[in-house]
Amino acid sequence: AQKVTQAQTEISVVEKEDVTLDCVYETRDTTYYLFWYKQPPSGELVFLIRRNSFDEQNEISGRYSWNFQKSTSSFNFTITASQVVDSAVYFCALPQTGGFKTIFGAGTRLFVKA
Amino acid sequence: EAQVTQNPRYLITVTGKKLTVTCSQNMNHEYMSWYRQDPGLGLRQIYYSMNVEVTDKGDVPEGYKVSRKEKRNFPLILESPSPNQTSLYFCASRGGGIGTQYFGPGTRLLVL
Repeated sequence: AQKVTQAQTEISVVEKEDVTLDCVYETRDTTYYLFWYKQPPSGELVFLIRRNSFDEQNEISGRYSWNFQKSTSSFNFTITASQVVDSAVYFCALPQTGGFKTIFGAGTRLFVKA
Repeated sequence: EAQVTQNPRYLITVTGKKLTVTCSQNMNHEYMSWYRQDPGLGLRQIYYSMNVEVTDKGDVPEGYKVSRKEKRNFPLILESPSPNQTSLYFCASRGGGIGTQYFGPGTRLLVL
């Protein structure tokens, strides 16, 4: 069965600290995609990144970076120099075979204190 | 503006009173889906639709119905709501392939 585990329920950091959110997945597919979404306090879901299993290069977008490691089935998300606006719930997601069903992790709530 | 809309945004109802949450997208997407979000459980998929008149169950379909008569609309129907259906509901759509899902703003439902 496919599964996404976000073991960190809540993380609290002080502004300007770096923080890494973990995502561990299980899948039997040889080709798959992984996603990260952000849910700020206002409640909407915001797409952050999509990663194809063929591409193991790390991705960087401003203060955000993602480390994809197939060997450990992990797709971790790092925020460098965190800001208060980064406070949100972050979800990792794995579409299942065929792409019609998607499994989400339980989410990690990040608090960034000024 | 490309968007997914849901109505109502907030709803308080009583056990057993049928309700419908509407979802509409203006991106001509074939795929649409409904999720519910509960604390500690993340988002769980209720139903999805691959195209008009084609729907299938997600992981938590019990107590819900859907229909897809038009490409742009995908309403979620609770024929006899119960308190355990109190939740935050999201509708989503996406284009072909395993692309990004675009989510609606969410509907917060309280069943008393």
